[in-house]
Amino acid sequence: GNSVTQMEGPVTLSEEAFLTINCTYTATGYPSLFWYVQYPGEGLQLLLKATKADDKGSNKGFEATYRKETTSFHLEKGSVQVSDSAVYFCALTFNDYKLSFGAGTTVTVRA
Amino acid sequence: GAVVSQHPSWVICKSGTSVKIECRSLDFQATTMFWYRQFPKQSLMLMATSNEGSKATYEQGVEKDKFLINHASLTLSTLTVTSAHPEDSSFYICSASWRGRTDTQYFGPGTRLTVL
Repeated sequence: GNSVTQMEGPVTLSEEAFLTINCTYTATGYPSLFWYVQYPGEGLQLLLKATKADDKGSNKGFEATYRKETTSFHLEKGSVQVSDSAVYFCALTFNDYKLSFGAGTTVTVRA
Repeated sequence: GAVVSQHPSWVICKSGTSVKIECRSLDFQATTMFWYRQFPKQSLMLMATSNEGSKATYEQGVEKDKFLINHASLTLSTLTVTSAHPEDSSFYICSASWRGRTDTQYFGPGTRLTVL
């Protein structure tokens, strides 16, 4: 079946540090890939997405590139802020509404 | 963006009782609502999908009689955990969308259920 594997957290960084959260997937075919973010006390929000190989999703300084050859969709941000502290979820779907999520990675950014 | 609320945000109940969790889309009409369950340090698992006015579609392994889902209107879906037991303790999250599109799925903040 389809599955998503994320790097385990928690991840603690200082402000302005570089953030990478690894995400790999197992699927038959080519799914759409997503990153969701959950800020404290709030629901999951779509951060970015990519629907085909080599697509790059970007939003709020975050980027992720759909790599078919390595079945990966790693999330990166060049300079994090305290406000980026949240739980990040990688997810996939095949042209329907059924999202398969990774376990989530908790990121804490210290001032 | 669109707002989805859940009520209550947390609930503690005794074993054998039933608990109802509400999911509301506050500023849009949700044709489809989804219910997820999340165990500590694990991913969200889709439990069921409900379309307004029709019966919910449950994922394999989810007991229909245990987790009753009602989507009575375009802004409200409810999940009732019947005869709850400690193993039902979990974090329950709903989301809502229109036309079933994944990229328009808006999530609620979740409900923490603890069954004693």
